Amino acid sequence: GAGVSQSPSNKVTEKGKDVELRCDPISGHTALYWYRQRLGQGLEFLIYFQGNSAPDKSGLPSDRFSAERTGESVSTLTIQRTQQEDSAVYLCASSLTDRGNYEQYFGPGTRLTVT
Amino acid sequence: DQQVKQNSPSLSVQEGRISILNCDYTNSMFDYFLWYKKYPAEGPTFLISISSIKDKNEDGRFTVFLNKSAKHLSLHIVPSQPGDSAVYFCAASSSRWNKLVFGAGTILRVKS
Repeated sequence: GAGVSQSPSNKVTEKGKDVELRCDPISGHTALYWYRQRLGQGLEFLIYFQGNSAPDKSGLPSDRFSAERTGESVSTLTIQRTQQEDSAVYLCASSLTDRGNYEQYFGPGTRLTVT
Repeated sequence: DQQVKQNSPSLSVQEGRISILNCDYTNSMFDYFLWYKKYPAEGPTFLISISSIKDKNEDGRFTVFLNKSAKHLSLHIVPSQPGDSAVYFCAASSSRWNKLVFGAGTILRVKS
């Protein structure tokens, strides 16, 4: 079956512009996560959605970052007024359970470069 | 504050030999540990996991060992194959959380 998909695969933007990243989770997966990976570092948790519950936004680095999810489907991560330190690979993952300690299935990521 | 540490950025192993990847953690609340493998331009894929109530979990060529007293886990791959060449991430979580905490990864190169 189809895995997690993300678009675009690459995005180059100028500093100060807004960007929107999209994630399509695996059908039926109730939980959705966003992570980012900066060069040479591990994956950094950003935000978690579970059904209709309030999202866990504890990992968002600043108020320039926001995310939405429509029901149990598509999610968009928006970064406003991008900065060079926002350059990273943004990864989306989904899972069947609402417990983060179960296996998460990752998309290929969106590589964001802020010039 | 890195709660999950993979101190070896890279590891090179001959085909057929054992690969041992190490991971240390600091947070006593972690009770579930996972290993992910990542190829270039792809997202990480789940490899194997272990609950804190166990000290070993085996799946084919892959075995994960957990030493809770030392806050240390390791992934053993035997025999190693060239297709195992990838970045391996250690991750940890708690039953109270919704997120995984990842290490920085170890690049494994298996030479044929």
